[in-house]
Amino acid sequence: DGGITQSPKYLFRKEGQNVTLSCEQNLNHDAMYWYRQDPGQGLRLIYYSQIVNDFQKGDIAEGYSVSREKKESFPLTVTSAQKNPTAFYLCASSIVAETEAFFGQGTRLTVV
Amino acid sequence: DAKTTQPPSMDCAEGRAANLPCNHSTISGNEYVYWYRQIHSQGPQYIIHGLKNNETNEMASLIITEDRKSSTLILPHATLRDTAVYYCIVRSRIQGAQKLVFGQGTRLTINP
Repeated sequence: DGGITQSPKYLFRKEGQNVTLSCEQNLNHDAMYWYRQDPGQGLRLIYYSQIVNDFQKGDIAEGYSVSREKKESFPLTVTSAQKNPTAFYLCASSIVAETEAFFGQGTRLTVV
Repeated sequence: DAKTTQPPSMDCAEGRAANLPCNHSTISGNEYVYWYRQIHSQGPQYIIHGLKNNETNEMASLIITEDRKSSTLILPHATLRDTAVYYCIVRSRIQGAQKLVFGQGTRLTINP
């Protein structure tokens, strides 16, 4: 089936460790996005990518890094510089000219 | 970016129509209104979008006022599975990419 897959669903890490969240899509979408959601809050944009080998910072990029080496994949690394990394992370993709974005099921990261 | 204002919460009886309002008074002429919903701990799901004409699909109807400063999402026969947070979004265009800016949304509760 076509779709967007995030893994793992739950992730636990010790403070000070970097962690990489996976996002894969087989929808042939050019644009991909990473959002963060805190309890009871809306989504905030971390990074987005319009095309392979290009990406732009969103509203809360500090402490995060991304890569876009393949069209299908847009992994997000939460670095030790991110002061409050515990959150629900959502990946999305869309055709560049449209905003009907398709979201993955999210990864809930807990840093202890 | 045009901002949106939604009531934080609403209740509706099962089987009745749920009408969710959204104000977007600063919307510009080429910006679309999009609606998504998020069921607890899942990724947001696209519902519908429109520019200035009313739109209908299998999930909902979207009514946009003539001055485009507000809109209403209508779920014609709400079911318990429609309980979710509903987000009204005005599309922001950045160099061709579609940046989705999510606000707080409306928490809709469908009561039996």
